[in-house]
Amino acid sequence: AQRVTQPEKLLSVFKGAPVELKCNYSYSGSPELFWYVQYSRQRLQLLLRHISRESIKGFTADLNKGETSFHLKKPFAQEEDSAMYYCALSKMGTSYGKLTFGQGTILTVHP
Amino acid sequence: NAGVMQNPRHLVRRRGQEARLRCSPMKGHSHVYWYRQLPEEGLKFMVYLQKENIIDESGMPKERFSAEFPKEGPSILRIQQVVRGDSAAYFCASSPQGQANTGELFFGEGSRLTVL
Repeated sequence: AQRVTQPEKLLSVFKGAPVELKCNYSYSGSPELFWYVQYSRQRLQLLLRHISRESIKGFTADLNKGETSFHLKKPFAQEEDSAMYYCALSKMGTSYGKLTFGQGTILTVHP
Repeated sequence: NAGVMQNPRHLVRRRGQEARLRCSPMKGHSHVYWYRQLPEEGLKFMVYLQKENIIDESGMPKERFSAEFPKEGPSILRIQQVVRGDSAAYFCASSPQGQANTGELFFGEGSRLTVL
Protein backbone atom coordinates (compact mmCIF):
# COMPACT_ATOMS: atom_id res chain seq x y z
CA ALA A 1 0.00 0.00 0.00
CA GLN A 2 1.16 3.52 -0.65
CA ARG A 3 1.43 6.17 1.98
CA VAL A 4 2.35 9.84 2.07
CA THR A 5 3.54 11.45 5.29
CA GLN A 6 3.85 15.14 5.99
CA PRO A 7 5.41 15.26 9.45
CA GLU A 8 4.68 18.92 10.13
CA LYS A 9 1.08 19.90 10.66
CA LEU A 10 2.04 23.56 11.16
CA LEU A 11 5.01 25.53 9.87
CA SER A 12 5.71 29.18 10.57
CA VAL A 13 8.42 31.31 9.02
CA PHE A 14 9.10 35.00 8.57
CA LYS A 15 8.93 36.75 5.24
CA GLY A 16 12.17 36.38 3.34
CA ALA A 17 13.26 33.27 5.21
CA PRO A 18 13.78 29.94 3.46
CA VAL A 19 11.00 27.40 3.81
CA GLU A 20 10.94 23.65 3.39
CA LEU A 21 7.79 21.56 3.65
CA LYS A 22 8.63 17.92 4.19
CA CYS A 23 7.04 15.00 2.41
CA ASN A 24 8.00 11.35 2.69
CA TYR A 25 6.36 8.52 0.87
CA SER A 26 6.14 4.78 0.97
CA TYR A 27 5.50 2.97 -2.27
CA SER A 28 6.93 -0.19 -3.76
CA GLY A 29 6.67 0.85 -7.42
CA SER A 30 7.61 3.94 -9.37
CA PRO A 31 5.71 6.93 -8.02
CA GLU A 32 4.69 10.23 -9.45
CA LEU A 33 4.73 12.98 -6.85
CA PHE A 34 2.78 16.22 -6.70
CA TRP A 35 2.28 19.21 -4.48
CA TYR A 36 -1.19 20.68 -4.20
CA VAL A 37 -1.98 23.97 -2.46
CA GLN A 38 -5.11 25.50 -0.99
CA TYR A 39 -5.04 29.23 -0.36
CA SER A 40 -7.54 30.81 2.00
CA ARG A 41 -11.07 30.68 0.55
CA GLN A 42 -9.84 29.05 -2.63
CA ARG A 43 -10.02 25.56 -4.05
CA LEU A 44 -7.34 22.95 -3.88
CA GLN A 45 -5.10 23.32 -6.92
CA LEU A 46 -2.01 21.75 -8.38
CA LEU A 47 1.21 23.58 -7.53
CA LEU A 48 3.79 21.39 -9.20
CA ARG A 49 4.62 17.85 -10.24
CA HIS A 50 8.00 16.17 -10.10
CA ILE A 51 8.02 15.00 -13.71
CA SER A 52 7.88 18.58 -14.93
CA ARG A 53 10.96 19.64 -12.98
CA GLU A 54 9.56 23.13 -12.93
CA SER A 55 9.64 26.01 -10.51
CA ILE A 56 6.24 27.49 -9.72
CA LYS A 57 5.92 30.70 -7.70
CA GLY A 58 9.52 30.20 -6.66
CA PHE A 59 8.86 26.71 -5.27
CA THR A 60 10.82 23.65 -6.31
CA ALA A 61 10.68 20.03 -5.24
CA ASP A 62 13.14 17.26 -5.97
CA LEU A 63 12.23 13.62 -5.87
CA ASN A 64 14.80 11.73 -3.80
CA LYS A 65 14.17 8.05 -4.35
CA GLY A 66 16.90 7.01 -1.94
CA GLU A 67 15.30 8.88 0.92
CA THR A 68 11.78 8.47 -0.49
CA SER A 69 11.18 12.17 -0.09
CA PHE A 70 9.71 15.01 -2.11
CA HIS A 71 10.28 18.11 -0.02
CA LEU A 72 8.95 21.45 -1.23
CA LYS A 73 11.37 24.35 -0.97
CA LYS A 74 11.43 28.07 -1.51
CA PRO A 75 14.49 30.22 -0.74
CA PHE A 76 12.59 33.37 0.23
CA ALA A 77 9.07 32.94 1.58
CA GLN A 78 6.40 35.56 0.87
CA GLU A 79 3.26 36.35 2.87
CA GLU A 80 1.11 35.22 -0.03
CA ASP A 81 2.62 31.73 0.31
CA SER A 82 0.57 31.21 3.46
CA ALA A 83 -1.70 28.26 2.67
CA MET A 84 -2.35 24.58 3.24
CA TYR A 85 0.02 22.37 1.27
CA TYR A 86 -0.61 18.73 0.40
CA CYS A 87 1.87 16.27 -0.98
CA ALA A 88 0.31 13.57 -3.17
CA LEU A 89 1.40 10.41 -4.94
CA SER A 90 0.12 8.34 -7.80
CA LYS A 91 1.32 5.22 -9.52
CA MET A 92 3.49 6.08 -12.51
CA GLY A 93 1.71 5.38 -15.72
CA THR A 94 -1.72 5.37 -14.13
CA SER A 95 -4.08 6.75 -16.66
CA TYR A 96 -6.23 8.61 -14.20
CA GLY A 97 -6.02 10.82 -11.19
CA LYS A 98 -6.13 8.40 -8.29
CA LEU A 99 -4.00 10.22 -5.76
CA THR A 100 -2.84 9.39 -2.26
CA PHE A 101 -2.61 12.58 -0.21
CA GLY A 102 -0.63 13.41 2.88
CA GLN A 103 -2.28 15.02 5.88
CA GLY A 104 -1.25 18.50 4.84
CA THR A 105 0.94 21.25 6.28
CA ILE A 106 -0.36 24.69 7.13
CA LEU A 107 2.30 27.24 6.22
CA THR A 108 2.12 30.67 7.80
CA VAL A 109 4.49 33.36 6.60
CA HIS A 110 4.71 36.25 9.04
CA PRO A 111 5.51 39.80 7.91
CA ASN B 1 -15.59 28.37 -17.07
CA ALA B 2 -17.19 28.20 -13.65
CA GLY B 3 -15.05 25.33 -12.46
CA VAL B 4 -16.20 22.22 -10.65
CA MET B 5 -19.48 22.93 -8.90
CA GLN B 6 -20.58 21.05 -5.83
CA ASN B 7 -23.82 21.32 -3.93
CA PRO B 8 -24.90 21.57 -1.31
CA ARG B 9 -21.91 23.20 0.33
CA HIS B 10 -23.19 22.23 3.74
CA LEU B 11 -25.56 19.42 4.59
CA VAL B 12 -26.87 18.38 7.99
CA ARG B 13 -28.50 15.01 8.44
CA ARG B 14 -29.68 12.95 11.38
CA ARG B 15 -28.49 9.41 11.84
CA GLY B 16 -30.35 7.04 9.53
CA GLN B 17 -31.20 9.64 6.89
CA GLU B 18 -29.86 9.75 3.37
CA ALA B 19 -27.34 12.26 2.04
CA ARG B 20 -26.98 13.16 -1.63
CA LEU B 21 -24.06 15.22 -2.82
CA ARG B 22 -23.90 16.56 -6.35
CA CYS B 23 -20.99 17.47 -8.56
CA SER B 24 -20.91 19.11 -11.97
CA PRO B 25 -17.47 18.80 -13.58
CA MET B 26 -15.76 21.55 -15.49
CA LYS B 27 -16.99 22.06 -19.01
CA GLY B 28 -15.30 19.61 -21.32
CA HIS B 29 -14.32 17.24 -18.50
CA SER B 30 -15.72 13.75 -18.54
CA HIS B 31 -13.77 12.19 -15.66
CA VAL B 32 -15.06 12.69 -12.12
CA TYR B 33 -13.45 11.70 -8.85
CA TRP B 34 -14.79 11.78 -5.31
CA TYR B 35 -12.51 12.22 -2.32
CA ARG B 36 -13.37 12.28 1.38
CA GLN B 37 -11.56 14.25 4.04
CA LEU B 38 -12.15 13.24 7.62
CA PRO B 39 -11.21 15.69 10.38
CA GLU B 40 -7.45 16.05 10.81
CA GLU B 41 -6.74 13.80 7.83
CA GLY B 42 -5.76 14.19 4.20
CA LEU B 43 -8.06 13.59 1.26
CA LYS B 44 -8.78 9.94 0.55
CA PHE B 45 -9.81 8.63 -2.85
CA MET B 46 -13.26 7.09 -3.00
CA VAL B 47 -14.34 6.56 -6.59
CA TYR B 48 -13.55 7.43 -10.19
CA LEU B 49 -16.32 7.68 -12.77
CA GLN B 50 -16.76 8.45 -16.39
CA LYS B 51 -20.12 9.07 -18.02
CA GLU B 52 -22.39 6.13 -17.13
CA ASN B 53 -19.45 4.05 -15.89
CA ILE B 54 -17.77 3.42 -12.57
CA ILE B 55 -14.10 2.89 -13.39
CA ASP B 56 -12.59 2.46 -9.92
CA GLU B 57 -14.53 2.29 -6.66
CA SER B 58 -11.77 0.78 -4.57
CA GLY B 59 -12.01 3.55 -1.99
CA MET B 60 -15.73 3.34 -1.44
CA PRO B 61 -17.05 1.74 1.74
CA LYS B 62 -18.74 -1.53 0.85
CA GLU B 63 -22.08 -0.61 2.32
CA ARG B 64 -24.35 2.44 2.23
CA PHE B 65 -22.23 4.40 -0.27
CA SER B 66 -22.88 4.61 -3.99
CA ALA B 67 -21.95 6.93 -6.82
CA GLU B 68 -23.18 7.59 -10.31
CA PHE B 69 -22.42 9.85 -13.22
CA PRO B 70 -25.36 9.69 -15.62
CA LYS B 71 -25.31 10.60 -19.26
CA GLU B 72 -27.11 13.80 -18.42
CA GLY B 73 -26.73 15.75 -15.22
CA PRO B 74 -24.27 15.87 -12.38
CA SER B 75 -22.43 13.10 -10.63
CA ILE B 76 -24.08 12.07 -7.38
CA LEU B 77 -22.54 10.58 -4.28
CA ARG B 78 -25.23 8.93 -2.20
CA ILE B 79 -24.87 7.87 1.41
CA GLN B 80 -27.72 5.86 2.86
CA GLN B 81 -28.51 5.54 6.56
CA VAL B 82 -25.82 7.99 7.55
CA VAL B 83 -23.87 7.55 10.78
CA ARG B 84 -21.82 10.07 12.74
CA GLY B 85 -18.62 8.68 11.25
CA ASP B 86 -19.76 9.84 7.82
CA SER B 87 -19.32 13.45 8.92
CA ALA B 88 -16.60 14.79 6.65
CA ALA B 89 -15.83 17.06 3.74
CA TYR B 90 -16.52 15.42 0.41
CA PHE B 91 -14.58 16.78 -2.53
CA CYS B 92 -15.28 16.26 -6.17
CA ALA B 93 -12.63 16.70 -8.84
CA SER B 94 -12.63 16.42 -12.60
CA SER B 95 -10.17 16.04 -15.42
CA PRO B 96 -10.41 16.21 -19.21
CA GLN B 97 -11.10 13.16 -21.33
CA GLY B 98 -8.12 11.42 -22.81
CA GLN B 99 -5.55 13.26 -20.79
CA ALA B 100 -2.64 11.11 -19.72
CA ASN B 101 -2.10 11.17 -16.03
CA THR B 102 -0.59 14.52 -15.24
CA GLY B 103 -1.98 14.43 -11.75
CA GLU B 104 -3.80 17.68 -12.31
CA LEU B 105 -7.23 17.38 -10.89
CA PHE B 106 -9.58 20.35 -10.75
CA PHE B 107 -11.33 20.40 -7.43
CA GLY B 108 -14.65 21.73 -6.28
CA GLU B 109 -15.08 23.64 -3.04
CA GLY B 110 -16.33 20.56 -1.25
CA SER B 111 -19.53 19.56 0.51
CA ARG B 112 -19.39 19.40 4.27
CA LEU B 113 -21.66 16.73 5.72
CA THR B 114 -22.56 16.84 9.39
CA VAL B 115 -24.44 13.94 10.91
CA LEU B 116 -26.19 14.66 14.17
